Amino acid sequence: DIQLTQSPSSVSASVGDRVTITCRASQGFSSWLAWYQQKPGKAPKLLIYAASTLQSGVPSRFSGSGSGTDFTLTISSLQPEDFATYYCQQADSFPLTFGGGTKVEIK
Amino acid sequence: EVQLVESGGGLVKPGGSLRLSCAASGLDFSYSTLNWVRQAPGKGPEWVSSISSSSSYIYYTDSVKGRFTISRDNAKNSVYLQMNSLRAEDTAVYYCASRFCSGGSCYWHFDYWGQGTPVTVSS
Repeated sequence: DIQLTQSPSSVSASVGDRVTITCRASQGFSSWLAWYQQKPGKAPKLLIYAASTLQSGVPSRFSGSGSGTDFTLTISSLQPEDFATYYCQQADSFPLTFGGGTKVEIK
Repeated sequence: EVQLVESGGGLVKPGGSLRLSCAASGLDFSYSTLNWVRQAPGKGPEWVSSISSSSSYIYYTDSVKGRFTISRDNAKNSVYLQMNSLRAEDTAVYYCASRFCSGGSCYWHFDYWGQGTPVTVSS
């Protein structure tokens, strides 16, 4: 199974800050990685797929990069609605797995 | 508008059974791969099972193999998860989610999700 480790587990940031979240895989794969945003009591929302492709309707302040074992999600200028928990998910092999999450909190 | 609506969750004793249902609308259901993803309290999501459009391909995570069965009824635009021999560690919110497809390619990611149905396994 591919284990995904996210860091940090939480980050405190202010509106306008640049935030970077890392997802490290236990074994390398191409670009079959997605990022989701989840707010309390809601289902996850797909933000980025294929490591760097923005899902339709997602603001351009979100970006993704990486391949192999190291992937990143960057929010270029944090907005109030971006305070949430973010998860990575690999689609390279079964079982499909998610990272443990990164909570972005208001500083 | 795509809607996935789960039902059937509840409180069940260890060793008991539940059948979850997911009713879909606004989706080309008979061509869609459907999935169950669960999330235990305070934890990240966990993929549980997937079923292809014609039920030809079915996948399970190891921890539920032999206990859970996924199925679908394309005439009713519904997917089901029969859960037997439930354990405390199966306690979670269970989401129905569709496999993401774009530009003629499909990815094992999830674009549309239901609101989830909670399952609590406790004596």
